[in-house]
Amino acid sequence: GNSVTQMEGPVTLSEEAFLTINCTYTATGYPSLFWYVQYPGEGLQLLLKATKADDKGSNKGFEATYRKETTSFHLEKGSVQVSDSAVYFCARTRGGGADGLTFGKGTHLIIQP
Amino acid sequence: DTEVTQTPKHLVMGMTNKKSLKCEQHMGHRAMYWYKQKAKKPPELMFVYSYEKLSINESVPSRFSPECPNSSLLNLHLHALQPEDSALYLCASSQDYQRGREQFFGPGTRLTVL
Repeated sequence: GNSVTQMEGPVTLSEEAFLTINCTYTATGYPSLFWYVQYPGEGLQLLLKATKADDKGSNKGFEATYRKETTSFHLEKGSVQVSDSAVYFCARTRGGGADGLTFGKGTHLIIQP
Repeated sequence: DTEVTQTPKHLVMGMTNKKSLKCEQHMGHRAMYWYKQKAKKPPELMFVYSYEKLSINESVPSRFSPECPNSSLLNLHLHALQPEDSALYLCASSQDYQRGREQFFGPGTRLTVL
């Protein structure tokens, strides 16, 4: 089936530290991959996406590269801020069309000043 | 307008009540989705509408009844819910069925069933 595995937190870092959140997906079909962020009490915001192998998605200093050989889509940021504290979800499309997303369990990121 | 709106923001209902959740988008998107999110869990897909037709029902109990009156609106009718149905209900939309289209999420309705 289709699944996404991501490291579970909480992940606690100091401000300006380097961030990596690991994400791997099952290699069924040709999924598009996404990172979403959820702040407390809110819905999900799209952070970045990649639709094919070797694509790099980037936004607000965050980056992730679609690695088909390792079935991975790790999220990175060079210098985190307190305002980056949130829950981050890695997700993949389930099939070829408008058929919804499968999410990882989410990683709670806490940035300390 | 790049927003998905949901009403109400919070809803408390008894197990015998009938209520409806509403979702609206004016981005011209032709695919709309309902997800359920329990506390500290990821969203789980419930229903997908594509071009106003129900295309996916993830074996959701019949006490949840979706409706798509037009391309901008999506409703979720609730009847005889159970306390375990308490959750955040998220609506999302995407441009169409093409591969790779990102989904835009609303802020959600936080439902409590007493």
